[in-house]
Amino acid sequence: AQTVTQSQPEMSVQEAETVTLSCTYDTSESDYYLFWYKQPPSRQMILVIRQEAYKQQNATENRFSVNFQKAAKSFSLKISDSQLGDAAMYFCAYRSVHSGGSNYKLTFGKGTLLTVNP
Amino acid sequence: GAVVSQHPSRVICKSGTSVKIECRSLDFQATTMFWYRQFPKQSLMLMATSNEGSKATYEQGVEKDKFLINHASLTLSTLTVTSAHPEDSSFYICSANSASYEQYFGPGTRLTVT
Repeated sequence: AQTVTQSQPEMSVQEAETVTLSCTYDTSESDYYLFWYKQPPSRQMILVIRQEAYKQQNATENRFSVNFQKAAKSFSLKISDSQLGDAAMYFCAYRSVHSGGSNYKLTFGKGTLLTVNP
Repeated sequence: GAVVSQHPSRVICKSGTSVKIECRSLDFQATTMFWYRQFPKQSLMLMATSNEGSKATYEQGVEKDKFLINHASLTLSTLTVTSAHPEDSSFYICSANSASYEQYFGPGTRLTVT
């Protein structure tokens, strides 16, 4: 079974600064997807960024980018020019490419609570 | 973009009663929907996987007779908490798989059992 580990329960960053959230995972599969989700105080889950394991290029979405190290099974999220609206719980998640009876369910880490200080 | 709705957003019920939560995919068909439970400042805990036209698959430790799931159409899944007790109070989130297996989340339902 796959596992996802987020070792930072809480992080803080100054507005306009850069912060990196860590995520490691364990899997025996060679092809899979990795995600970062944001959950603001409204508790609506929002997809921030997605990485396909077979792609070596790190995914980027505006101020959000990832550092995907497949051999190390590491998938960190970098938020540049942090804004007050970035304050949220961030979850790292894993999904297999093939269902294998799992219906493509997501495996989540425990989350990192990000505080943005003005 | 794909939108998933949940109704109600908040519900308060008395201990011993049942409450139904609806999850709808508004602009796409979803053969698979998922139900999660989330406690404050914790991660999402998958309760069950709901497949249209078949029985739900429950995760280990989740009581299927207490949390009844029905996925009667490609756009609607329901979660019924039967004989609710205060310990069932929680935030319940549903999600739906699109045709490309992207998972879209509903806004959640806060259940309070008094």
